[in-house]
Amino acid sequence: DAGVIQSPRHEVTEMGQEVTLRCKPISGHDYLFWYRQTMMRGLELLIYFNNNVPIDDSGMPEDRFSAKMPNASFSTLKIQPSEPRDSAVYFCASNPQGSRGTGELFFGEGSRLTVL
Amino acid sequence: GQQLNQSPQSVFIQEGEDVSMNCTSSSIFNTWLWYKQEPGEGPVLLIALYKAGELTSNGRLTAQFGITRKDSFLNISASIPSDVGIYFCAGQALWAGANSKLTFGKGITLSVRP
Repeated sequence: DAGVIQSPRHEVTEMGQEVTLRCKPISGHDYLFWYRQTMMRGLELLIYFNNNVPIDDSGMPEDRFSAKMPNASFSTLKIQPSEPRDSAVYFCASNPQGSRGTGELFFGEGSRLTVL
Repeated sequence: GQQLNQSPQSVFIQEGEDVSMNCTSSSIFNTWLWYKQEPGEGPVLLIALYKAGELTSNGRLTAQFGITRKDSFLNISASIPSDVGIYFCAGQALWAGANSKLTFGKGITLSVRP
């Protein structure tokens, strides 16, 4: 079975450019999460969706970040304009409805973003 | 906000040794989870615990949900080189709603010497 698929795996861009990260959750999973991982702050939840609807975006750092989920099989995380401090590994994770809470996450392999 | 403390940051052991990791919180959780992350990969769920006092095993891994609900322990027995990675604990307070967020610890990096 295919797991959570993220693209690109690596992205190097210059400050001020727009960055779009993509995620395909596991088929049938109703929850989708975007996390950011850095050495200093560890894993931080940015936003999550349930049935394509954003439920909690309180972790989104600022207005430069936006996320969408136009359908059950696709989500994007966009940073515009990007800044060097956005450099991190961004993970997408999904979770099936009906599981005991939403803690049992299936993570993608991550997108490593470097902003120069 | 809620914080999970994992210490030490790094652990070095010899192959075949057992290792124990713990995770403590200033808040009560009713779900504890342990994840492992290998280089270049996303975290993978190892064990989930849903009841205070619960002891659960997954092969050579054993985890316990502390009675106080503020801590959890993960033990790895007879370590092997492929146990290398970062081990994260995570807690969730489900009484805040089933959609409440996970709080992750900063992780413990395990190194195993052959």
